[in-house]
Amino acid sequence: RKEVEQDPGPFNVPEGATVAFNCTYSNSASQSFFWYRQDCRKEPKLLMSVYSSGNEDGRFTAQLNRASQYISLLIRDSKLSDSATYLCVVIPAGGNKLTFGTGTQLKVEL
Amino acid sequence: ETGVTQSPTHLIKTRGQQVTLRCSSQSGHNTVSWYQQALGQGPQFIFQYYREEENGRGNFPPRFSGLQFPNYSSELNVNALELDDSALYLCASTALQGSSYNEQFFGPGTRLTVL
Repeated sequence: RKEVEQDPGPFNVPEGATVAFNCTYSNSASQSFFWYRQDCRKEPKLLMSVYSSGNEDGRFTAQLNRASQYISLLIRDSKLSDSATYLCVVIPAGGNKLTFGTGTQLKVEL
Repeated sequence: ETGVTQSPTHLIKTRGQQVTLRCSSQSGHNTVSWYQQALGQGPQFIFQYYREEENGRGNFPPRFSGLQFPNYSSELNVNALELDDSALYLCASTALQGSSYNEQFFGPGTRLTVL
């Protein structure tokens, strides 16, 4: 079983739609959780950290469920510029390496 | 821009050859991590260097080796290249302080093709 699992997509949605991505992780001792965004042929960039209390940044909302070892990302009012691959990232307890999922590809269309 | 630079941007090698990739960390950062990203996959952790010492390694064979220099820049060396080594190689720098996590900033990557 992979340490971090995501649905690879692609998710094709119309502009203005709400889209949700999910991710599960296998190591219950994991301590930090993130969503990264990666544009085609570019480096990953931090989108937002994820907390159990949930956190929101504009149109983006992230949520962590430690009991289910599940992380989510919700994007409201999708824009064409949101088209990218979204990577779920986990850091194990006591570690500093980023463990990435395979990424979920999002395509926002007119 | 993150301030992390990598060279070269693209590289083509043949099986069995050796390659050296370079990374300059962001000013003030003392830690560099290397990742391999195959097509359609997420980045995979290769190893991390902190103050010139290896500080953790992923599931990669010994032919993947590295160095960190006193200015905290780093090299990734891969010997006896195989076709499956074709990937985007990313380095990320951070300021490691104790056990707390600090954001890792990625360079643009080196795209290696092995023929």
